[in-house]
Amino acid sequence: GAVVSQHPSWVICKSGTSVKIECRSLDFQATTMFWYRQFPKQSLMLMATSNEGSKATYEQGVEKDKFLINHASLTLSTLTVTSAHPEDSSFYICSAEESLGTGVNEQFFGPGTRLTVL
Amino acid sequence: GEDVEQSLFLSVREGDSSVINCTYTDSSSTYLYWYKQEPGAGLQLLTYIFSNMDMKQDQRLTVLLNKKDKHLSLRIADTQTGDSAIYFCAESMGDYKLSFGAGTTVTVRA
Repeated sequence: GAVVSQHPSWVICKSGTSVKIECRSLDFQATTMFWYRQFPKQSLMLMATSNEGSKATYEQGVEKDKFLINHASLTLSTLTVTSAHPEDSSFYICSAEESLGTGVNEQFFGPGTRLTVL
Repeated sequence: GEDVEQSLFLSVREGDSSVINCTYTDSSSTYLYWYKQEPGAGLQLLTYIFSNMDMKQDQRLTVLLNKKDKHLSLRIADTQTGDSAIYFCAESMGDYKLSFGAGTTVTVRA
């Protein structure tokens, strides 16, 4: 299957700093990527849909100025958590969409990035 | 996640069958999915079913869909220790956004 990578896999930062997380589709081109946030023992919550070459679409309640998304190429989307605070600590997971040619678009998920803000 | 509900835990003996249940609320769902998440990792798609199907079988996995009751289940035959993980059901409604349940933690005991 298609492979999606994320970098870094974990990061610890001080409160007030900004952190960039990269999501790459390694062997396919993804016009659409998704960013999720997962709290411990909870479901994945969709934060935003990232479309190559256009602005991201944010879900209700997600601050677009806080979570900056850039999808500059068909294989790379970045999520920048600006002025991070301890409540931003979470597991961030991206996915990249690929058409299976059956009418189903499968989302391939990255391994996630554990962000801890001190 | 609030539109998709799952039981949180399931313990099963190695070699037995596991059945994970899920209910959803949106009758316009087009596809329903089962994902597996191992500790500290992302999600892996196990299988999916189109909403006009009742059943899909893929090796040890059997998906049953009762559209009338909006109930989805995943049966894992001959459960192995490597099947211990969190299993998420998810629905999509044609725009390919996924709505996930909270996940069922499956523990396989020897």
